[in-house]
Amino acid sequence: AQRVTQPEKLLSVFKGAPVELKCNYSYSGSPELFWYVQYSRQRLQLLLRHISRESIKGFTADLNKGETSFHLKKPFAQEEDSAMYYCALRKYNAGNMLTFGGGTRLMVKP
Amino acid sequence: DTGVSQDPRHKITKRGQNVTFRCDPISEHNRLYWYRQTLGQGPEFLTYFQNEAQLEKSRLLSDRFSAERPKGSFSTLEIQRTEQGDSAMYLCASSLLGQSHSGNTIYFGEGSWLTVV
Repeated sequence: AQRVTQPEKLLSVFKGAPVELKCNYSYSGSPELFWYVQYSRQRLQLLLRHISRESIKGFTADLNKGETSFHLKKPFAQEEDSAMYYCALRKYNAGNMLTFGGGTRLMVKP
Repeated sequence: DTGVSQDPRHKITKRGQNVTFRCDPISEHNRLYWYRQTLGQGPEFLTYFQNEAQLEKSRLLSDRFSAERPKGSFSTLEIQRTEQGDSAMYLCASSLLGQSHSGNTIYFGEGSWLTVV
């Protein structure tokens, strides 16, 4: 069975500092990896997916199959980045269930 | 707001009572999902529909839980004989099955909070 681990429950950084939210997964097949974000009082929304290889709001994430990781990075954190971040995995072309990690709360201090 | 909508947003019920949640997906989305989220945890998959057919069910979905999507549009999630362990946020989500893999984005509702006392 697949599993997603986010080792940090809370990550606190100062504005302008680099950010890395860690995500590790276990799955024997070819996964799809996602990052979802939930801002205060808002619904969970997709931030980015590994297939798209895109940068959203300055965030990027690279799938490292050797290390089974999909860490989320941003070179300069902004206060508006403060939110809950969830890493999620979906089995590629084999179902629609998303398996989520436990989430990391990012706090960006002024 | 044309996003996924859920009702009620909050429900407090006594142990042993039945509760029902409703989800209206984004118009024309043919896939609908239910997730459960407890405090400090990420969402956990419960079940999903493609049109009116329920195609996957998690082992988390005990016999007291039943979900329907009778006309392939809105869905209901009923919990019978509620227990305190059922207290959680119940999230609904929807997506559109398309040819483009990148188009199959899952959109979430704001959730329905259940508190069983």
